Formats: sequence, C-alpha cells, structure tokens
Amino acid sequence: QKEVEQNSGPLSVPEGAIASLNCTYSDRGSQSFFWYRQYSGKSPELIMFIYSNGDKEDGRFTAQLNKASQYVSLLIRDSQPSDSATYLCAVTFDSGGSNYKLTFGKGTLLTVNP
Amino acid sequence: GAVVSQHPSWVICKSGTSVKIECRSLDFQATTMFWYRQFPKQSLMLMATSNEGSKATYEQGVEKDKFLINHASLTLSTLTVTSAHPEDSSFYICSARQALYEQYFGPGTRLTVT
Repeated sequence: QKEVEQNSGPLSVPEGAIASLNCTYSDRGSQSFFWYRQYSGKSPELIMFIYSNGDKEDGRFTAQLNKASQYVSLLIRDSQPSDSATYLCAVTFDSGGSNYKLTFGKGTLLTVNP
Repeated sequence: GAVVSQHPSWVICKSGTSVKIECRSLDFQATTMFWYRQFPKQSLMLMATSNEGSKATYEQGVEKDKFLINHASLTLSTLTVTSAHPEDSSFYICSARQALYEQYFGPGTRLTVT
C-alpha cells in the first residue's frame, strides 16, 4: 500500500510569517513529488513539483525533498491571507506501462491570519 | 497553458438516471487522463486512468460498469455515471497529463443525486 501522510492541521500562521508544510511517503520507488493547493469547493491547483533531492524555489514557495528520509516539504514565505487553503502533497509512482499515478495525502489546512 | 475544462460544473439528477461528464484539455494533447472523486473533507481518490484509444484502467473497488469512461480523442475524455444513486453524490475531478509526470486538473463537477 503506497501511502502519503500529512498533518491535517489546521496550521495557523500570522500574515507575513513562514508556513511550513510537511509530507512523508512510504514507497521508496516514488519518483516525483507535487504540491497542490485546493481552495474550498474548487479543484487542486499545481503549485510546484520536485524530482531531485534538495531545494527548489519558485517565488515565495520552496519545495524541499529528502529521498533518504522519504520526506518532502513546502515552505511559503511572506504568507498572505490568500494562501489560506488546503495543501495537498502528491507522489507519483510507476504503476506499469508508464501510467504514472498520483497518490495524494489527505491535505493540510493552512490558515493565514491578517 | 495546461488548461483543462470540465462540463458541466454542477448537475442534479434523479436516482436511477445517468449523467455524463466531459473533460477536455484545451491547449495540449493528453494521451492520458485521470478521473478522481472527492467526498467532503476527504482527499482525492483516483477512480480510473483513461488512455486515448484503449480501455480505461479502474482502481480497485470502482465498478467499471457503473462508471463508464471513454477517451475518444487526445483532448476529450468522458465519465458516465450510470443508474446514479444518492451515494454517488460527490465532486468529480478529471486531470490530464501534459508531461510524463505533470497532471493538471479540471475545475470539477459537483454531482448531486436526489
């Protein structure tokens, strides 16, 4: 059973602070890692993806991957109230025939307080 | 780029009727599309993988005769919920794969069966 674990939260941070979201996964064969943002009642929106160990930065977002520890995180700098949403961690593994499927965590609810 | 549309955005139907949901990739060709279902306060659950020109691959526990998937072209996949019942009421979301690992989601279809 391939599992992706996230703290459900809610995680509450003040405006302007750094929000840190964490995710662990069970399958060492996992190949790529994604963070999606989902507002209530809406579908997920891709924020970032990371394939290699280390950090990847995109604007206010930084994804960090540590394959040895099977851990991926998302840092949001200068958090804004508009960042308030559920953040979904997703992991891809090869299910055969190049059908790389995403396995989602249950998501972490982030609230940024003005 | 990487825009995926779904139609309809919401639908209400009576128990026992069938409902068709369309998923289109608007600015890219998608050989693979995925169908997910999300119940309130839960994460996305993959229902099936749809490959253009071939039969869909269903996840364990998903009834293939109830959830009919057709991927007739590189930009269109359809999900038909046959003989819908109230327990089928959910948020149905499709995604289309643009690159090997990257999936982009449609806006979702909220189905309510009365």
